[in-house]
Amino acid sequence: DAKTTQPPSMDCAEGRAANLPCNHSTISGNEYVYWYRQIHSQGPQYIIHGLKNNETNEMASLIITEDRKSSTLILPHATLRDTAVYYCIVRAPNSGGSNYKLTFGKGTLLTVNP
Amino acid sequence: DAEITQSPRHKITETGRQVTLACHQTWNHNNMFWYRQDLGHGLRLIHYSYGVQDTNKGEVSDGYSVSRSNTEDLPLTLESAASSQTSVYFCASSDHDRPHEQYFGPGTRLTVT
Repeated sequence: DAKTTQPPSMDCAEGRAANLPCNHSTISGNEYVYWYRQIHSQGPQYIIHGLKNNETNEMASLIITEDRKSSTLILPHATLRDTAVYYCIVRAPNSGGSNYKLTFGKGTLLTVNP
Repeated sequence: DAEITQSPRHKITETGRQVTLACHQTWNHNNMFWYRQDLGHGLRLIHYSYGVQDTNKGEVSDGYSVSRSNTEDLPLTLESAASSQTSVYFCASSDHDRPHEQYFGPGTRLTVT
């Protein structure tokens, strides 16, 4: 699985867009980019994933660069409840018989300030 | 609404006792997973299952066992609890077609004294 690099922390003002970057320069052609978050004392929560096209759902948007070496998760109107650690994970859809383990790195602690 | 639940949410037990943590999902997902989360180690996979009667060892399976007798449940058993197993345990599930889109339970905080 490709290695990912994220900033350790970011701040965002409530109501503003939060843009969380992730570098995955060694990503392979069949690997997807997944984003999860973990709010304090809760289980991880799936947010969104994509292969090469930009994706949007009710929670966030995912922008993947054309060369696929980096991506940005966008929370369009951050709220205090979005304060969490955000994880970028790269995985192939079916990893040739290996398990479907998710490897969470250190992620980015996003703090949304009032 | 479909959900994944874990029980108990908090448990204190003594060294050497057998402990079972419950995980129940109503997503009708084929895949189920148990992770533990510790400071400095992130989430580590203990056991996983791709369907009824299927179980597999993860990266930290020693001292743990699971069984999958139906689609909805994957109980995790600590055969003889050790202080090193003090942790927060998360259960997750995913659909066969979207294995990495995993839905996690709220967690069980286990303390072994």
